[in-house]
Amino acid sequence: KAGVTQTPRYLIKTRGQQVTLSCSPISGHRSVSWYQQTPGQGLQFLFEYFSETQRNKGNFPGRFSGRQFSNSRSEMNVSTLELGDSALYLCASSLADRGNTGELFFGEGSRLTVL
Amino acid sequence: QQQVKQSPQSLIVQKGGISIINCAYENTAFDYFPWYQQFPGKGPALLIAIRPDVSEKKEGRFTISFNKSAKQFSLHIMDSQPGDSATYFCAASRRDSNYQLIWGAGTKLIIKP
Repeated sequence: KAGVTQTPRYLIKTRGQQVTLSCSPISGHRSVSWYQQTPGQGLQFLFEYFSETQRNKGNFPGRFSGRQFSNSRSEMNVSTLELGDSALYLCASSLADRGNTGELFFGEGSRLTVL
Repeated sequence: QQQVKQSPQSLIVQKGGISIINCAYENTAFDYFPWYQQFPGKGPALLIAIRPDVSEKKEGRFTISFNKSAKQFSLHIMDSQPGDSATYFCAASRRDSNYQLIWGAGTKLIIKP
C-alpha cells in the first residue's frame, strides 16, 4: 500500500505570494489532517477534513485554508505569505472509522521557505 | 485543560542507557495516549499507545507507564541505541472528539555511542 504522498517536497516563495500544497492519503483513508511544524514549536494542528468537510480547525488565521476532494485527496492554501509561515507542512491520513483510534499516517512533508 | 505537557525538551543518553520522557495532562476525559517517533526528514510515525485501563504497556524495548491518578504517562526506552535518536511526541485524545490528538511539544532524544 502506498503511503501518504505530499507535493511539492520543497518550495521557495516570497512574501505576499500564495502557495498550494497537495496531499494524497493512503487508499481507503477518509480523514486528512494538516500540521505546521517549526523548530521549537512542535506540531501545530491546522485543520482536519473528513468526507470533504472540515471537521476540526486549529488556531490559525484565515490565510490558511484547505479542502478535500471526493477521492479524499486534499490541498491546503496559504495566501499573502509571511516570513513566519516558513515551516514544514505535514499531512496525515487516517481511517477515521467509527471506534477507530485514529492512528495518523504522516507524509514526509512540504518544506516551505518564505523569503 | 486541553494541554499535554511534555518534558524534557531535549535529552542526551549514553548507548545502553534508559531514556525517559514524561507527559502530563489535565483532562480526565482523555482515553487514548499514543507516542509518535519522528526521524529527521520524515513525518512522525506511531510508536506505541496505551489506554487508561492499564498501567503499563511494553513493546520490545519501548514501554509506556501510565499513572491515572497523577494524570501522567511516560515513555521508557531500555538499552537505548543510536538508531533511537529522534524526536518523540506524546499525545492524548478522546473517543467523543473523534480521537482528535492533543500533542505534547516534543522531546529531541540523542543517544551517544
